[in-house]
Amino acid sequence: NAGVTQNPKFQVLKTGQSMTLQCAQDMNHNSMYWYRQDPGMGLRLIYYSASEGTTDKGEVPNGYNVSRLNKREFSLRLESAAPSQTSVYFCASSHQGTGIYEQYFGPGTRLTVT
Amino acid sequence: LAKTTQPISMDSYEGQEVNITCSHNNIATNDYITWYQQFPSQGPRFIIQGYKTKVTNEVASLFIPADRKSSTLSLPRVSLSDTAVYYCLVGGAPYSSASKIIFGSGTRLSIRP
Repeated sequence: NAGVTQNPKFQVLKTGQSMTLQCAQDMNHNSMYWYRQDPGMGLRLIYYSASEGTTDKGEVPNGYNVSRLNKREFSLRLESAAPSQTSVYFCASSHQGTGIYEQYFGPGTRLTVT
Repeated sequence: LAKTTQPISMDSYEGQEVNITCSHNNIATNDYITWYQQFPSQGPRFIIQGYKTKVTNEVASLFIPADRKSSTLSLPRVSLSDTAVYYCLVGGAPYSSASKIIFGSGTRLSIRP
């Protein structure tokens, strides 16, 4: 199993450009997440999807859109990139249910907006 | 919201036991407490999770007092490879809303020879 995969690993954008960050998991998890992590900071939740077809805003959703394409894939789109969106973006997935809901994280996408 | 507070940084030496405490005064009845470890340039990795009293696995122990307003991650006999950032996460099961998913600011643990 590959676990959680993210593409691309690195990306440089100019202000105003758009792009989509891809995330896929092969663990048959119901829930998927997108976080951003700024240098020296903790993780902040952007969006969350409890199951296919549902999404929910997290702490910092402004400037982003998401699509839960199917159970495996959860994409994050920046419509008009801004320098404030320079960050490392992590995708994660987990089972949903009572008790253990350990999140499995991908390797991250390092995004620089100039 | 069950916001968490952790020490910003801690230092210790190889072979010592390290205890990192997380405060979560507003924890809800159905919230679990989860700890993650993060190395530079990697995504966080699950360490341990608990609801009350004590939980132990092969890498750590988690102590939760009866009032559940705090929790302590205990790492026995640390090594240089335990140098990382440790995050405390409090959230319900299942997550009823994304607003319940809040990572703490993290504790930067440095282990010296």
